[in-house]
Amino acid sequence: GAVVSQHPSRVICKSGTSVKIECRSLDFQATTMFWYRQFPKQSLMLMATSNEGSKATYEQGVEKDKFLINHASLTLSTLTVTSAHPEDSSFYICSARYPDTQYFGPGTRLTVL
Amino acid sequence: AQSVSQHNHHVILSEAASLELGCNYSYGGTVNLFWYVQYPGQHLQLLLKYFSGDPLVKGIKGFEAEFIKSKFSFNLRKPSVQWSDTAEYFCAVTKPYNQGGKLIFGQGTELSVKP
Repeated sequence: GAVVSQHPSRVICKSGTSVKIECRSLDFQATTMFWYRQFPKQSLMLMATSNEGSKATYEQGVEKDKFLINHASLTLSTLTVTSAHPEDSSFYICSARYPDTQYFGPGTRLTVL
Repeated sequence: AQSVSQHNHHVILSEAASLELGCNYSYGGTVNLFWYVQYPGQHLQLLLKYFSGDPLVKGIKGFEAEFIKSKFSFNLRKPSVQWSDTAEYFCAVTKPYNQGGKLIFGQGTELSVKP
């Protein structure tokens, strides 16, 4: 149980385009989902907290207009990287909370050319 | 602000050796504590967690951790490691979610087990 999926697992895009990443909780409902960014050989940095039906809460230094988060249902949150640039290339990981434990998706490798 | 510190960046052990990975956190209130493991090419998986009760917590795959409140520590242990334990290990801490908790990760410890 407590499985979280992400799609796509890997995406390559041109600079200036937007990319949408989906995060789904497959066998439970998650009122809260989280988005992290992981750099090579480094830890996970929390980007934002997403609550179903309300606006996401962004961590300091994370541009909310660049990283749009939508949590439309109890099983789906999306992260859209708008006008992506090479410095946005990274590994993006989502997690879903149930009930007091976070379960993590497999991550999405974004490469911006 | 909360912070989590893992003492070892990279640990190299031979099979059957004992393992202890250090984790300290800097929040004085009630905390929930976790160890996650990330095997090569795989996603983060929960090893064990502590919310309250017995401070010695047993997790999957023979791992255990001990919460020592006075030392703000939550060290991970395994009596005898296997080659398959080669992975990145992350300690993570949060205040209770009903208090606005956010899961904060330590820097991670890379464990390499030599066969």
